[in-house]
Amino acid sequence: QKEVEQDPGPLSVPEGAIVSLNCTYSNSAFQYFMWYRQYSRKGPELLMYTYSSGNKEDGRFTAQVDKSSKYISLFIRDSQPSDSATYLCAMSANDKFIFGKGTRLHILP
Amino acid sequence: GAGVSQSPRYKVAKRGQDVALRCDPISGHVSLFWYQQALGQGPEFLTYFQNEAQLDKSGLPSDRFFAERPEGSVSTLKIQRTQQEDSAVYLCASRPSPNTEAFFGQGTRLTVV
Repeated sequence: QKEVEQDPGPLSVPEGAIVSLNCTYSNSAFQYFMWYRQYSRKGPELLMYTYSSGNKEDGRFTAQVDKSSKYISLFIRDSQPSDSATYLCAMSANDKFIFGKGTRLHILP
Repeated sequence: GAGVSQSPRYKVAKRGQDVALRCDPISGHVSLFWYQQALGQGPEFLTYFQNEAQLDKSGLPSDRFFAERPEGSVSTLKIQRTQQEDSAVYLCASRPSPNTEAFFGQGTRLTVV
């Protein structure tokens, strides 16, 4: 079992829908959680950074961390075609961070 | 620019050739990471520096891979005697201090032929 599991998709949703992206993990020492967006042939772009459990909101994006279930989520409201990309979750204990495989998201106009 | 800068963006190497990949982190960032990303996969950790000290190199796949950051700023990832399986995108990231957000460069796409 990998330390971080993420469904690779692809996930296709219509424009304007709410998107839910998720990761599970096995290492209970993880306490820093990140979501990155990666467009084709580009580097990962940081979207959200959270510490420990709870919710964090930034514009159309909401990140949730449930440490008791070892489960994190990213919600995208009012999805746009420009949100079409690969979304990577990453997490760390206190130094290096471990990535999921990424979920490919397609927003259909 | 103010972001992480990597060069070259693309590199084609003949099998057996040595290559050097450069990373210019964001100015003042203490921590620097190297990751390897295969097509369709998430980035895999290679090595981590705090200032000039290499604190973790557990992800380097073989002794052909070597990284340095001699003055605690620019870093170089060197791959000796490249093999086809080394073909990937090599990503560099930096962060201002431990346990803060990390920012990535655009990567170097290495193709070994």
